[in-house]
Amino acid sequence: DGGITQSPKYLFRKEGQNVTLSCEQNLNHDAMYWYRQDPGQGLRLIYYSQIVNDFQKGDIAEGYSVSREKKESFPLTVTSAQKNPTAFYLCASSTGTGFSYEQYFGPGTRLTVT
Amino acid sequence: AQKITQTQPGMFVQEKEAVTLDCTYDTSDPSYGLFWYKQPSSGEMIFLIYQGSYDQQNATEGRYSLNFQKARKSANLVISASQLGDSAMYFCAMREIDNYGQNFVFGPGTRLSVLP
Repeated sequence: DGGITQSPKYLFRKEGQNVTLSCEQNLNHDAMYWYRQDPGQGLRLIYYSQIVNDFQKGDIAEGYSVSREKKESFPLTVTSAQKNPTAFYLCASSTGTGFSYEQYFGPGTRLTVT
Repeated sequence: AQKITQTQPGMFVQEKEAVTLDCTYDTSDPSYGLFWYKQPSSGEMIFLIYQGSYDQQNATEGRYSLNFQKARKSANLVISASQLGDSAMYFCAMREIDNYGQNFVFGPGTRLSVLP
């Protein structure tokens, strides 16, 4: 079945450690996105990538980094510079250049940093 | 400035009744797409319905319909015959062109609670 996988579902880290969240898709989508969601809030865009080896900062990129070496993969690293990293992280992908193509989302990773 | 506004942080509806969730958007582009997503407590985002800026008819998908008023820049979601399983967060989103290509912008969401 085609879809987006994010692993792990729950992640715990100590403050000061970098942590990488995985996002893989087998939908053959060109565009991939990372969002952060805090409790009771909407989605805020961290980074997005329209093609391999290229990505753009979103609204809250500080303290995060990404890579897009393969079409299928778009890992997100939460660095120690991110002041409040505890949140729910959602990865998404989309295809086509037409406006009718929706985003497909992964199940998300809940990161807790103590 | 907010590009997507959802003015109802929370809504209650009685089971089997219809409910309208509001969404207004801001764009100067003539071409864009509007989407609604449902997010249950488990966290996954479920695509519900799409409306294109040039579509003449309001979109419908089963119990979901989109009340699209282009001149008012409004794209309200109507859920008919509410069910207990409809209790969730609902997000309105817009796909538009930015300097890099195409991007999605999400509203802050509305939490819907369906009462038995």
